[in-house]
This record gives sequence, structure tokens and C-alpha cells, in this order.
Amino acid sequence: LAKTTQPISMDSYEGQEVNITCSHNNIATNDYITWYQQFPSQGPRFIIQGYKTKVTNEVASLFIPADRKSSTLSLPRVSLSDTAVYYCLVGEGYQKVTFGTGTKLQVIP
Amino acid sequence: SAVISQKPSRDICQRGTSLTIQCQVDSQVTMMFWYRQQPGQSLTLIATANQGSEATYESGFVIDKFPISRPNLTFSTLTVSNMSPEDSSIYLCSVESFGYTFGSGTRLTVV
Repeated sequence: LAKTTQPISMDSYEGQEVNITCSHNNIATNDYITWYQQFPSQGPRFIIQGYKTKVTNEVASLFIPADRKSSTLSLPRVSLSDTAVYYCLVGEGYQKVTFGTGTKLQVIP
Repeated sequence: SAVISQKPSRDICQRGTSLTIQCQVDSQVTMMFWYRQQPGQSLTLIATANQGSEATYESGFVIDKFPISRPNLTFSTLTVSNMSPEDSSIYLCSVESFGYTFGSGTRLTVV
């Protein structure tokens, strides 16, 4: 199972773009990269998933370089409601995944 | 993606007792996963449950302490047995369905 490394915490002002980078040096060929968001007292919620290059949905973008050893979650124009813990997971579908420490994002008014 | 109903959402239990947590999924899934999340920490995988076979436990977790049932493809239970205050945590179930979907969690306090 690929291990992931993320910053423990980040602060950002409202309206700014936030980029959270995850390192996963031993990612396997069949592994996908998935990001989750967790609010206090709730289970993690799927944000975005990708394999390579760039993926964009209505809430975020995911940038993955050619070597796939890292990935960056980009949240455009964050608001106070984006304050949460963000987890980067690497794994192949239908297998167990291991959660890293996550990044605690604090959005400041 | 799948929708998971997990209950109870929270409970306060006496030490030495057991609590069974239930997860119901709205679609058939091959594997279900059980996690523990201690206060302020990340999620730790307890075990993987396949229908019709015994659960596979991660290092540090044993069947006698955390027995799991998986009677069909939409349901699973996790029992926390002979509880102590150190078992106070949030317990979550999860399934893989277009990304992993999680239940809302069970907040357990052991007194």
C-alpha cells in the first residue's frame, strides 16, 4: 500500500485558492489518487479522484505530474465552510486503503 | 455511489460491556471496511469484511475484541467487546463504490 505524506495543517483566507500537496513516492501502476474531506463528527466525503494529468469537478481540481509521485488538490476561492481535514489516499479499487495524517485546513475570515 | 446507514450515531457505555454497531448499504457490495478514529487523529483500519468469509483484521486488532459479521452483501456489524475507556472513539464503516463511501460514524464513549 502506497504511503502518503501531507502537510499537517494549513491556513488560508476566505476567497483565496488553496493548494494541498500529497507525496506518494511508491505509488503503483494500478493505483488511483483520491482525496477526501472530513468535517468534525462526520465520515470522510469523496471530493475527487484521478490517475494522471488533471481532473476537475464542480468543487476541486486535482493535478498529477507525469511521474505520479505526488498530487495537488486545488480548492478555488475557499470559504469558511471549507474548513475541514483533507485526506489523500492512494490505492486500487476494491482494496483496503490506508489513511495518512491528513491536512487540517483552517479558513480565516 | 452507495449510501450507508450507520447506527447508533453515538452511545455511552459502561466498561466491561459490549456494543454492536450496524451498517446497512443501499446496494450490494463485495467488501466492507471498518475503521476507528480516535479523537483528533486519522482513521485506522480495523478489518475488512467479505460476505461469506471471516473478516481480515489489521495488526493490533483481534477478532475476540472486535467480532464482525457480514451475513449478506448489504449489511455488516462490528461489536466492540469488553469495553474499556481506551475504546472511546468514533467507529466508521466504509464501502468501495466509485470511490470509498463512509457511514456517518458511531461516537462511542466508555465510562
